[in-house]
Amino acid sequence: AQSVTQLGSHVSVSEGALVLLRCNYSSSVPPYLFWYVQYPNQGLQLLLKYTSAATLVKGINGFEAEFKKSETSFHLTKPSAHMSDAAEYFCAVSSFYGKLTFGQGTILTVHP
Amino acid sequence: DAGVIQSPRHEVTEMGQEVTLRCKPISGHNSLFWYRQTMMRGLELLIYFNNNVPIDDSGMPEDRFSAKMPNASFSTLKIQPSEPRDSAVYFCASSLDRGQLGVESPLHFGNGTRLTVT
Repeated sequence: AQSVTQLGSHVSVSEGALVLLRCNYSSSVPPYLFWYVQYPNQGLQLLLKYTSAATLVKGINGFEAEFKKSETSFHLTKPSAHMSDAAEYFCAVSSFYGKLTFGQGTILTVHP
Repeated sequence: DAGVIQSPRHEVTEMGQEVTLRCKPISGHNSLFWYRQTMMRGLELLIYFNNNVPIDDSGMPEDRFSAKMPNASFSTLKIQPSEPRDSAVYFCASSLDRGQLGVESPLHFGNGTRLTVT
């Protein structure tokens, strides 16, 4: 069985500040991990993915995430927030055939 | 690349009516997923097809829900009869599954169908 827990349903940062969105996973097999972003009235877009290669994964729009097996974490970070980063972010874990289990999502608000 | 195409974008119907949601996956993708998104339950996987065959339908909530994939380029999700608690955004997603153990396969999502049942 797999599960994902996103800590914090809402995160608010100032423009230019560090963004940190937390994700912890549970998986009985080596996981594949993903971060997706959802803008209003749109579907989910892939930000980045971890597939057992490098533990530090770089994605689009300046985001990156680090896989830490000892902590079962896959936190998403961005050094400097931009207004356009405001959206809902979902962490997801995949089984061997690609079925995704999503976390509850974290809404990121960026203040000027 | 046209992406995953869903129709309609919005559907408003009365309780008891039949609703059909449609999805065209990305050409060449062999896996298709139907998800439902609500504020209360987040994103829930309803059903998963691989090579047009339903593999996992454990998320389909009730017999009122049914899904088909008659060919590689089309899938439908039908609710009959619809109820107000079915109101949600329904997403279709597709991916290329190379069938090897441990191979990741990112999902590509459509823009969803917002269903309102009154």
